Amino acid sequence: DTAVSQTPKYLVTQMGNDKSIKCEQNLGHDTMYWYKQDSKKFLKIMFSYNNKELIINETVPNRFSPKSPDKAHLNLHINSLELGDSAVYFCASSQGSPGEETQYFGPGTRLLVL
Amino acid sequence: QQQVKQSPQSLIVQKGGIPIINCAYENTAFDYFPWYQQFPGKGPALLIAIRPDVSEKKEGRFTISFNKSAKQFSLHIMDSQPGDSATYFCAANRDLTGANNLFFGTGTRLTVIP
Repeated sequence: DTAVSQTPKYLVTQMGNDKSIKCEQNLGHDTMYWYKQDSKKFLKIMFSYNNKELIINETVPNRFSPKSPDKAHLNLHINSLELGDSAVYFCASSQGSPGEETQYFGPGTRLLVL
Repeated sequence: QQQVKQSPQSLIVQKGGIPIINCAYENTAFDYFPWYQQFPGKGPALLIAIRPDVSEKKEGRFTISFNKSAKQFSLHIMDSQPGDSATYFCAANRDLTGANNLFFGTGTRLTVIP
């Protein structure tokens, strides 16, 4: 059973397009996250949701919009894709409480914008 | 602004060697310090973690040393194996209501030569 799953695994698209990445966790966690890993492997948090409520909203272009239909899902929609958006996007989940800090990561979505 | 500084960027050791990866932080609000291991094409996975009230934690061949006064911590891998070849990230956590805000180091690419 996959704990944190993401679809698609690979995404190749043209500049200016709109795309979505989906994430689901079956761990029963309350909190989900989106991270961006650039070509130098640097991992940076983008957003976090707790039970459908936005908790962390880092400085990212407003072309990126997370949506959480329920606490087991956190999707990422990207409008007007740019070359610089090419990266690996990871979804993660955790219990979101002190003493339960372990974050479980999905396998990543490799986005290439041409 | 990089909240957690990590070095070296890359490390090559012979099988059986003891690679050491170092990290430093400034924010005293951090309360949990995990290390994540990432294999190519995979998401990061928790390896070992420590809280600031202890100076050392050991799990199998992996040991974290923590120096609270110096705001530094390090990962030691005893009897390293080729299967340990991966990218290692240190991180520091700041609890928020409903989320764990992880700040990652820049990563160390470890290669263990047979």
